[in-house]
Amino acid sequence: QQPVQSPQAVILREGEDAVINCSSSKALYSVHWYRQKHGEAPVFLMILLKGGEQKGHDKISASFNEKKQQSSLYLTASQLSYSGTYFCGPNSGYALNFGKGTSLLVTP
Amino acid sequence: KAGVTQTPRYLIKTRGQQVTLSCSPISGHRSVSWYQQTPGQGLQFLFEYFSETQRNKGNFPGRFSGRQFSNSRSEMNVSTLELGDSALYLCASSSPGALAEYNEQFFGPGTRLTVL
Repeated sequence: QQPVQSPQAVILREGEDAVINCSSSKALYSVHWYRQKHGEAPVFLMILLKGGEQKGHDKISASFNEKKQQSSLYLTASQLSYSGTYFCGPNSGYALNFGKGTSLLVTP
Repeated sequence: KAGVTQTPRYLIKTRGQQVTLSCSPISGHRSVSWYQQTPGQGLQFLFEYFSETQRNKGNFPGRFSGRQFSNSRSEMNVSTLELGDSALYLCASSSPGALAEYNEQFFGPGTRLTVL
């Protein structure tokens, strides 16, 4: 079953912050986050593992609540380059199961 | 290091035909995953192979199948194509000897399949 992301779409002005949420109906072992720009392949942002370990880029932050089976991606001081579709991929011991994504547009 | 490559990049087929897509992972990567991307359903997991064995499979009909060769290259086959199979098919490879779900996946550019 696919995770549920919210919001589905968001428009920001450069410099503003945004939070993208991801919720799964299954118990999670880890959560992946990827960003896909139009016409390009998805690119890795971060992995959050049970126990609090994180692997990813320094400028991106995220949280993982194992009990609630939720994860959130925090984008601060957004830049034009942040525009794209963000996918979370929860791993419930089965493999990654991405959802429909959140479309983010940062305007000047 | 060369990235993940997929061939062909574009394909046009008619209903009822079958198609084979190819994916070459990053050198040294032994795990290859396949995904179907459509505007309506987003990015959906098809299957994952590691060392020539299918480890995980998504919720797709049996018309979708795959295999992996000893050099880690992978192919995906769709038989009896339907209009709804039109999509971008992405493959991704991940670090050697690692579980795909615990490690960064590197995606290829995808194959755009159009079924008429």
